[in-house]
Amino acid sequence: GENVEQHPSTLSVQEGDSAVIKCTYSDSASNYFPWYKQELGKGPQLIIDIRSNVGEKKDQRIAVTLNKTAKHFSLHITETQPEDSAVYFCAASERSQGNLIFGKGTKLSVKP
Amino acid sequence: EPEVTQTPSHQVTQMGQEVILRCVPISNHLYFYWYRQILGQKVEFLVSFYNNEISEKSEIFDDQFSVERPDGSNFTLKIRSTKLEDSAMYFCASNYGISYEQYFGPGTRLTVT
Repeated sequence: GENVEQHPSTLSVQEGDSAVIKCTYSDSASNYFPWYKQELGKGPQLIIDIRSNVGEKKDQRIAVTLNKTAKHFSLHITETQPEDSAVYFCAASERSQGNLIFGKGTKLSVKP
Repeated sequence: EPEVTQTPSHQVTQMGQEVILRCVPISNHLYFYWYRQILGQKVEFLVSFYNNEISEKSEIFDDQFSVERPDGSNFTLKIRSTKLEDSAMYFCASNYGISYEQYFGPGTRLTVT
C-alpha cells in the first residue's frame, strides 16, 4: 500500500523567512496530494492541494510543487508569520473520495 | 462557511465500555470518513462510508468498530468494547463526492482508562 514520508519533523524559522516541507510517496497510482495545517487542539485544515496533472500550484504565500517522476511533493511558505506556527501534514490519495494516507507531520515554529 | 462538527470534544471511558462518537458532516457532502490520531503520531484512516454502506476500511477497523448514519445529518463511530490502545483523537471528515477535498472536524479526544 501507499507510504508517505515527510521531512523534517520539526522546523524553526525566523519571521519573514521561507519554510519548505518535503514529502515522498511510494505508490505511483497516487494522484492527489493535499496539505493540512493542524493547530493545537483543532482538526486538520486543508490549506492547499495539487493533482498529478499539475506541477505547481500557488495560493498567496503558499505553494506546492509536485515531481511525479521522483514521487515527491513539497510545501513552500514564503514570508512566514507567527500565525503560521502549527503542525503541517502532507497526504496522498489514489482517487477522489479515496482515503488519505498521511505523513508524520512537521511542527513549524515561526519566531517573531 | 459550512463545517464538520463533532461531539463530544472529549470522552473518558473505562476499558471494556462502549462509546459512540458523533459527527455532523457538511450538509451536501456524500462521502464520510473516520480517521484517528494517536498522540504525537500521524493521522490514520479507519473507514469511509457512502450511500449507507462502508466503501473502504483499514486493518485498524476491526469487528470492535462500526459506523452508522442513523438519520440525514449524523454519522457515528461506535467502539463496542474499548481498549487502552483506542485512546486517540478521532476525526470525522466529509467529501462532496465529485471532488477530492476532504474537510475535517475538530475531533473527539477519547481517553480509555
